[in-house]
Amino acid sequence: GAVVSQHPSRVICKSGTSVKIECRSLDFQATTMFWYRQFPKQSLMLMATSNEGSKATYEQGVEKDKFLINHASLTLSTLTVTSAHPEDSSFYICSAFRDTFYEQYFGPGTRLTVT
Amino acid sequence: SQQGEEDPQALSIQEGENATMNCSYKTSINNLQWYRQNSGRGLVHLILIRSNEREKHSGRLRVTLDTSKKSSSLLITASRAADTASYFCATDGETSGSRLTFGEGTQLTVNP
Repeated sequence: GAVVSQHPSRVICKSGTSVKIECRSLDFQATTMFWYRQFPKQSLMLMATSNEGSKATYEQGVEKDKFLINHASLTLSTLTVTSAHPEDSSFYICSAFRDTFYEQYFGPGTRLTVT
Repeated sequence: SQQGEEDPQALSIQEGENATMNCSYKTSINNLQWYRQNSGRGLVHLILIRSNEREKHSGRLRVTLDTSKKSSSLLITASRAADTASYFCATDGETSGSRLTFGEGTQLTVNP
């Protein structure tokens, strides 16, 4: 199956700093990628849809200035958590949408801990 | 907000038993998918069922879909300890396009 990677897998940062998470589709091109957040023992919540070459579409309640998304190429989307706070600590998962199969392929996730 | 609800929230069974998890949703869908997630890991796609399908099988998995009741079930037969994980349903519909809405999930524990 298709492979999606995320980097880093784990990151610990101090409150007030910014953290960038990368999502790459390794063996297919993805015009659309998605970013999810998952708190412990909860389900995945869609944060935003990342569109290659255009602005991301954010879900209601997600601050676009805090969670910056850049989909600069057909294989890479980045999520930057700006001025991170402890409440931003979560598991961030991306997925890449493969048009030809109409299927999302999920990355392994990034565990963010803000101290 | 999550549109799906799953029950039970947690299920504990013995190896060899069958496990049934249910998922309900609120709006019209095009497809319903089931995913599995081991603790702290990414999602693994299990099976997709389209809105015009009623039942689908894949190995030890059986998925049913009842669009009139807006519900789906996932049956895992002859469970194994390695099936221990969280299971989520996810739907996409005409208004959401390719965006997925996930259910709350069921935590399955299979005891050896």
